[in-house]
Amino acid sequence: DTAVSQTPKYLVTQMGNDKSIKCEQNLGHDTMYWYKQDSKKFLKIMFSYNNKELIINETVPNRFSPKSPDKAHLNLHINSLELGDSAVYFCASSQERLFQFFGPGTRLTVL
Amino acid sequence: EDQVTQSPEALRLQEGESSSLNCSYTVSGLRGLFWYRQDPGKGPEFLFTLYSAGEEKEKERLKATLTKKESFLHITAPKPEDSATYLCAVQAVQGAQKLVFGQGTRLTINP
Repeated sequence: DTAVSQTPKYLVTQMGNDKSIKCEQNLGHDTMYWYKQDSKKFLKIMFSYNNKELIINETVPNRFSPKSPDKAHLNLHINSLELGDSAVYFCASSQERLFQFFGPGTRLTVL
Repeated sequence: EDQVTQSPEALRLQEGESSSLNCSYTVSGLRGLFWYRQDPGKGPEFLFTLYSAGEEKEKERLKATLTKKESFLHITAPKPEDSATYLCAVQAVQGAQKLVFGQGTRLTINP
């Protein structure tokens, strides 16, 4: 059983396009996160939702917009994609402040 | 600002050759320090959480220790399957549940 799943796994698109990445967790956790891992493998928090409420919003361009329809889902929509958005995006979930469980990642390539 | 620095960036060992990875941190009140393992093309996999100086945790050939300024991940008699990138992260007492990651140590165990 997949605990945290993301779709798609790979996403190749042109500059200027709008794309979405979806995340679902079946662990019953109350908090979900989006992280970005750059080419140097550095993982950095972008957003976090707790019970559908935004609680972390790091310095991220407003072209990135997270949406949480319910506490099991957290989607990431990106407008007007730029070359620098190419990275691996990870979704994660946790129960309160316990360890975070990561998904398999979505590799985004902007051409 | 909370910060995590891991060393070395890369480490190559022979099978059975024990060593340690270092994670130095500065944080405004440590809630927890986390160790993750990341295999190529996959999401980080949780290993340990340490909460207070002097605490130790073990799992198979891995042992994590914590002081007030750093954590060590000791690898005893490693096997090739221990090859991976090991990530260290801290969570602060104040604020939301975000993890601040180091850049990781890429460990290679040669047979």
